[in-house]
Amino acid sequence: GESVGLHLPTLSVQEGDNSIINCAYSNSASDYFIWYKQESGKGPQFIIDIRSNMDKRQGQRVTVLLNKTVKHLSLQIAATQPGDSAVYFCAEAPGGKLTFGQGTILTVHP
Amino acid sequence: GAVVSQHPSRVICKSGTSVKIECRSLDFQATTMFWYRQFPKQSLMLMATSNEGSKATYEQGVEKDKFLINHASLTLSTLTVTSAHPEDSSFYICSATLDRDYGYTFGSGTRLTVV
Repeated sequence: GESVGLHLPTLSVQEGDNSIINCAYSNSASDYFIWYKQESGKGPQFIIDIRSNMDKRQGQRVTVLLNKTVKHLSLQIAATQPGDSAVYFCAEAPGGKLTFGQGTILTVHP
Repeated sequence: GAVVSQHPSRVICKSGTSVKIECRSLDFQATTMFWYRQFPKQSLMLMATSNEGSKATYEQGVEKDKFLINHASLTLSTLTVTSAHPEDSSFYICSATLDRDYGYTFGSGTRLTVV
Protein backbone atom coordinates (compact mmCIF):
# COMPACT_ATOMS: atom_id res chain seq x y z
CA GLY A 1 0.00 0.00 0.00
CA GLU A 2 1.21 3.46 -0.82
CA SER A 3 -0.44 6.61 0.41
CA VAL A 4 -1.15 9.53 -1.85
CA GLY A 5 1.56 12.04 -1.12
CA LEU A 6 4.27 14.15 -2.60
CA HIS A 7 7.13 12.27 -4.17
CA LEU A 8 10.62 13.48 -3.43
CA PRO A 9 12.36 15.99 -5.71
CA THR A 10 15.64 14.92 -7.27
CA LEU A 11 19.06 16.50 -7.72
CA SER A 12 21.68 15.07 -10.06
CA VAL A 13 25.29 16.22 -9.93
CA GLN A 14 28.66 15.16 -11.29
CA GLU A 15 31.29 13.77 -8.97
CA GLY A 16 33.40 16.58 -7.59
CA ASP A 17 30.69 19.22 -7.92
CA ASN A 18 29.21 20.97 -4.91
CA SER A 19 25.61 20.09 -4.06
CA ILE A 20 23.02 22.30 -2.44
CA ILE A 21 19.87 20.79 -1.00
CA ASN A 22 17.12 23.05 0.21
CA CYS A 23 14.36 22.71 2.76
CA ALA A 24 11.52 24.95 3.85
CA TYR A 25 9.98 24.65 7.26
CA SER A 26 6.71 26.06 8.52
CA ASN A 27 6.92 26.15 12.30
CA SER A 28 8.29 29.51 13.35
CA ALA A 29 8.77 28.11 16.86
CA SER A 30 11.29 25.53 15.65
CA ASP A 31 14.64 26.14 17.29
CA TYR A 32 16.61 23.05 16.37
CA PHE A 33 17.19 21.52 12.96
CA ILE A 34 18.93 18.40 11.75
CA TRP A 35 19.95 17.07 8.35
CA TYR A 36 19.78 13.33 7.79
CA LYS A 37 21.00 11.03 5.03
CA GLN A 38 18.99 7.92 4.25
CA GLU A 39 20.21 5.10 2.06
CA SER A 40 17.81 2.64 0.52
CA GLY A 41 16.23 0.30 3.06
CA LYS A 42 17.99 1.88 6.04
CA GLY A 43 17.17 4.28 8.82
CA PRO A 44 18.22 7.95 8.67
CA GLN A 45 21.82 8.80 9.51
CA PHE A 46 22.74 12.07 11.26
CA ILE A 47 24.77 14.51 9.16
CA ILE A 48 24.76 17.87 10.91
CA ASP A 49 22.54 19.98 13.11
CA ILE A 50 22.02 23.66 13.85
CA ARG A 51 20.24 25.65 16.52
CA SER A 52 18.24 28.74 15.80
CA ASN A 53 20.76 31.03 17.48
CA MET A 54 23.13 30.29 14.60
CA ASP A 55 22.82 30.90 10.87
CA LYS A 56 25.67 28.70 9.69
CA ARG A 57 27.44 25.60 10.87
CA GLN A 58 30.18 23.63 9.18
CA GLY A 59 31.18 20.00 9.39
CA GLN A 60 33.40 17.82 7.33
CA ARG A 61 32.52 18.62 3.68
CA VAL A 62 29.07 19.80 4.78
CA THR A 63 27.66 23.19 5.70
CA VAL A 64 24.19 23.98 6.95
CA LEU A 65 22.69 27.43 6.49
CA LEU A 66 19.63 28.63 8.37
CA ASN A 67 17.53 31.61 7.33
CA LYS A 68 14.90 32.15 9.98
CA THR A 69 13.40 35.13 8.22
CA VAL A 70 12.12 33.02 5.34
CA LYS A 71 12.10 29.74 7.28
CA HIS A 72 14.62 28.09 4.98
CA LEU A 73 17.38 25.60 5.57
CA SER A 74 20.05 24.39 3.18
CA LEU A 75 22.68 21.69 3.17
CA GLN A 76 25.80 22.20 1.10
CA ILE A 77 27.98 19.21 0.29
CA ALA A 78 31.44 20.02 -1.05
CA ALA A 79 33.18 17.84 -3.62
CA THR A 80 30.25 15.45 -3.86
CA GLN A 81 31.17 11.79 -4.17
CA PRO A 82 29.22 8.78 -5.49
CA GLY A 83 28.90 7.57 -1.92
CA ASP A 84 26.88 10.69 -1.15
CA SER A 85 24.05 9.39 -3.35
CA ALA A 86 21.08 8.98 -1.03
CA VAL A 87 17.94 10.74 0.13
CA TYR A 88 18.51 13.80 2.29
CA PHE A 89 15.95 15.03 4.80
CA CYS A 90 15.77 18.07 6.96
CA ALA A 91 14.09 17.64 10.30
CA GLU A 92 12.97 20.04 12.99
CA ALA A 93 12.51 19.39 16.67
CA PRO A 94 10.43 22.04 18.39
CA GLY A 95 9.95 20.96 21.97
CA GLY A 96 11.86 17.78 21.26
CA LYS A 97 9.39 16.19 18.83
CA LEU A 98 11.30 15.31 15.68
CA THR A 99 9.42 15.76 12.39
CA PHE A 100 10.74 15.48 8.87
CA GLY A 101 10.57 17.69 5.82
CA GLN A 102 9.98 16.49 2.29
CA GLY A 103 13.47 15.31 1.39
CA THR A 104 15.57 15.31 -1.79
CA ILE A 105 17.01 12.39 -3.76
CA LEU A 106 20.67 13.14 -4.56
CA THR A 107 22.30 11.19 -7.38
CA VAL A 108 26.02 11.63 -8.00
CA HIS A 109 27.34 10.54 -11.38
CA PRO A 110 30.97 9.40 -11.64
CA GLY B 1 28.02 5.94 19.92
CA ALA B 2 24.36 5.45 20.63
CA VAL B 3 22.86 2.37 19.03
CA VAL B 4 19.22 1.47 18.45
CA SER B 5 18.30 -2.04 17.40
CA GLN B 6 15.05 -2.62 15.53
CA HIS B 7 13.60 -6.05 14.81
CA PRO B 8 12.54 -7.64 12.62
CA SER B 9 14.09 -6.00 9.59
CA ARG B 10 11.54 -7.61 7.29
CA VAL B 11 8.24 -9.31 7.93
CA ILE B 12 5.53 -10.70 5.71
CA CYS B 13 2.18 -11.42 7.30
CA LYS B 14 -1.27 -12.42 6.21
CA SER B 15 -4.09 -9.94 6.13
CA GLY B 16 -5.93 -9.86 9.44
CA THR B 17 -3.02 -10.92 11.60
CA SER B 18 -1.00 -8.76 13.99
CA VAL B 19 2.68 -7.94 13.83
CA LYS B 20 4.95 -6.68 16.60
CA ILE B 21 8.04 -4.57 15.92
CA GLU B 22 10.64 -4.01 18.63
CA CYS B 23 12.91 -1.03 19.13
CA ARG B 24 15.71 -1.26 21.69
CA SER B 25 18.25 1.29 22.80
CA LEU B 26 21.38 -0.75 23.46
CA ASP B 27 23.72 1.62 25.27
CA PHE B 28 21.57 4.44 26.61
CA GLN B 29 18.27 4.96 28.33
CA ALA B 30 15.66 6.28 25.95
CA THR B 31 13.14 8.41 27.77
CA THR B 32 11.38 9.09 24.49
CA MET B 33 10.91 6.98 21.41
CA PHE B 34 9.30 7.95 18.14
CA TRP B 35 7.66 5.74 15.53
CA TYR B 36 7.60 6.72 11.87
CA ARG B 37 6.08 5.30 8.74
CA GLN B 38 7.59 5.77 5.32
CA PHE B 39 6.08 4.94 1.94
CA PRO B 40 8.34 4.52 -1.12
CA LYS B 41 9.92 7.77 -2.29
CA GLN B 42 8.22 9.74 0.46
CA SER B 43 9.30 11.33 3.69
CA LEU B 44 9.09 9.88 7.18
CA MET B 45 5.72 10.56 8.75
CA LEU B 46 5.63 10.67 12.52
CA MET B 47 3.03 8.27 13.87
CA ALA B 48 3.44 8.60 17.61
CA THR B 49 5.69 9.64 20.45
CA SER B 50 6.12 7.33 23.41
CA ASN B 51 7.54 8.14 26.81
CA GLU B 52 8.61 5.42 29.20
CA GLY B 53 5.84 4.46 31.56
CA SER B 54 3.11 6.56 30.00
CA LYS B 55 0.66 6.31 27.13
CA ALA B 56 1.85 7.16 23.66
CA THR B 57 0.84 10.40 22.00
CA TYR B 58 -0.48 9.76 18.50
CA GLU B 59 -0.35 12.15 15.59
CA GLN B 60 -3.56 13.27 13.97
CA GLY B 61 -4.99 10.62 11.69
CA VAL B 62 -3.12 7.69 13.24
CA GLU B 63 -5.44 5.06 14.73
CA LYS B 64 -4.25 4.28 18.22
CA ASP B 65 -6.27 1.06 18.37
CA LYS B 66 -4.63 -0.18 15.21
CA PHE B 67 -1.06 0.84 16.00
CA LEU B 68 -0.47 -0.16 19.61
CA ILE B 69 2.64 1.31 21.18
CA ASN B 70 4.14 0.15 24.44
CA HIS B 71 7.17 1.76 26.09
CA ALA B 72 7.44 -0.34 29.20
CA SER B 73 11.11 0.25 29.96
CA LEU B 74 13.78 2.83 29.25
CA THR B 75 15.33 0.59 26.61
CA LEU B 76 12.38 -0.98 24.82
CA SER B 77 9.41 0.24 22.84
CA THR B 78 7.16 -1.95 20.71
CA LEU B 79 4.78 -1.15 17.88
CA THR B 80 2.05 -3.69 17.18
CA VAL B 81 0.13 -3.40 13.94
CA THR B 82 -3.18 -5.07 14.70
CA SER B 83 -5.42 -6.71 12.11
CA ALA B 84 -3.00 -5.75 9.37
CA HIS B 85 -4.23 -5.03 5.86
CA PRO B 86 -2.32 -4.58 2.60
CA GLU B 87 -2.53 -0.79 2.94
CA ASP B 88 -0.49 -1.10 6.15
CA SER B 89 2.44 -2.36 4.10
CA SER B 90 5.20 0.18 4.61
CA PHE B 91 8.63 0.85 6.10
CA TYR B 92 8.39 1.47 9.85
CA ILE B 93 11.26 3.22 11.63
CA CYS B 94 11.83 3.96 15.30
CA SER B 95 13.98 6.64 16.87
CA ALA B 96 15.12 6.93 20.46
CA THR B 97 16.46 9.79 22.50
CA LEU B 98 17.47 10.56 26.05
CA ASP B 99 16.81 14.23 25.42
CA ARG B 100 17.17 16.64 22.53
CA ASP B 101 20.70 17.62 23.48
CA TYR B 102 21.69 13.94 23.43
CA GLY B 103 20.42 13.54 19.91
CA TYR B 104 18.14 11.15 18.11
CA THR B 105 19.24 7.66 17.12
CA PHE B 106 17.34 5.67 14.53
CA GLY B 107 16.73 1.99 14.12
CA SER B 108 17.41 0.33 10.79
CA GLY B 109 13.71 0.05 9.96
CA THR B 110 11.21 -2.75 9.41
CA ARG B 111 9.78 -3.53 6.00
CA LEU B 112 6.23 -4.81 6.57
CA THR B 113 4.42 -6.53 3.73
CA VAL B 114 0.84 -7.62 4.28
CA VAL B 115 -0.45 -10.17 1.79
